[in-house]
Amino acid sequence: NAGVTQTPKFRVLKTGQSMTLLCAQDMNHEYMYWYRQDPGMGLRLIHYSVGEGTTAKGEVPDGYNVSRLKKQNFLLGLESAAPSQTSVYFCASYPRRTFNSPLHFGNGTRLTVT
Amino acid sequence: GEDVEQSLFLSVREGDSSVINCTYTDSSSTYLYWYKQEPGAGLQLLTYIFSNMDMKQDQRLTVLLNKKDKHLSLRIADTQTGDSAIYFCAESRGGTYKYIFGTGTRLKVLA
Repeated sequence: NAGVTQTPKFRVLKTGQSMTLLCAQDMNHEYMYWYRQDPGMGLRLIHYSVGEGTTAKGEVPDGYNVSRLKKQNFLLGLESAAPSQTSVYFCASYPRRTFNSPLHFGNGTRLTVT
Repeated sequence: GEDVEQSLFLSVREGDSSVINCTYTDSSSTYLYWYKQEPGAGLQLLTYIFSNMDMKQDQRLTVLLNKKDKHLSLRIADTQTGDSAIYFCAESRGGTYKYIFGTGTRLKVLA
């Protein structure tokens, strides 16, 4: 079992460029999340999905879009990158209706926008 | 993260106990968690406590929950250099999808 896999691991973008971050999980989890981690601010929820074909906004959704066309994949898109989006992005998943189950995290994508 | 606060740094000597504190604001929180993040990696669950418990012990880890004060703490006994990491507390709110994370406490263990 690979768990939660994020690609790419690192990326540098110029302001205004676009990119997609991919998250894949092989645990048949219903819920998937995208967080960003910034120094002194912890993890902030960008978007989440409670199942295939559904997505919703989290705390800091502006400038990002997501899609969940397949249950195992959750894509995070930046249409026009800005320096404020320089961050480490984490994807996480967990099974439905099991609140005592941990979130399973990927190893993160470090994005720099110049 | 919203509504969950932690101090940013803690430094202890190897062999001492570490106590990492967290305060939260939502009284409907069902489960409270401690996650550990090592450099270059994602977060991994260390332990959790259900909101109707006061204490949970798991080997070197002791979690204390004071629901009245909405205060959660993680005590690591006999702290080792391998415990150096960022520790996040998190809460999940009953009946919702949401996990809310604290700001993280960077623990540095001095040899």
